[in-house]
Amino acid sequence: GQQVMQIPQYQHVQEGEDFTTYCNSSTTLSNIQWYKQRPGGHPVFLIQLVKSGEVKKQKRLTFQFGEAKKNSSLHITATQTTDVGTYFCAGPLASGGSYIPTFGRGTSLIVHP
Amino acid sequence: DGGITQSPKYLFRKEGQNVTLSCEQNLNHDAMYWYRQDPGQGLRLIYYSQIVNDFQKGDIAEGYSVSREKKESFPLTVTSAQKNPTAFYLCASSTRGSGRSPYTDTQYFGPGTRLTVL
Repeated sequence: GQQVMQIPQYQHVQEGEDFTTYCNSSTTLSNIQWYKQRPGGHPVFLIQLVKSGEVKKQKRLTFQFGEAKKNSSLHITATQTTDVGTYFCAGPLASGGSYIPTFGRGTSLIVHP
Repeated sequence: DGGITQSPKYLFRKEGQNVTLSCEQNLNHDAMYWYRQDPGQGLRLIYYSQIVNDFQKGDIAEGYSVSREKKESFPLTVTSAQKNPTAFYLCASSTRGSGRSPYTDTQYFGPGTRLTVL
């Protein structure tokens, strides 16, 4: 069936290093969203991308939507300990005549001070 | 103060008992969702509702039941038929369900309920 895949599952970095997580869909997505879940917390919406090739920035975070709208990435420059958490992408996939939000498995970022 | 609430935060039950998790929102959102999260796993959709008195099965609905009698409330019952119910359960809402529209709205999550079945 249709899937949203995310890699890597875990990423350890030293504070100050960069981090990237990648999201791939088996089908073209109309939009893609990114969420962050802190340890012990719940997912919180970060951003939505809609246009092919779109790039959006939030301070040290850069989000990109692929030209074919089947992949996306989140890049964090110079990680800080506050960036620790699991980052999820989510896109609408068709299921039984409707579109439902489908999450990737997430990438857990561990930042070592 | 607008938001989505889930209670309780921690819940313990004996094997073989049904248990109901509550989810309430005052955001006036049409759509509500239940997800299950296991350690190291993503969010798996259990049930969703795009409008009052209507709900649909997600990927892992077996052993669960829901109701949507009011717009604000979407309780989830974990039945004794659920073989491995211990997990973190997250409720979410969005302005509207996607339905036939290929776009998804932003989802707002509750704080979650951590269910342990002994």
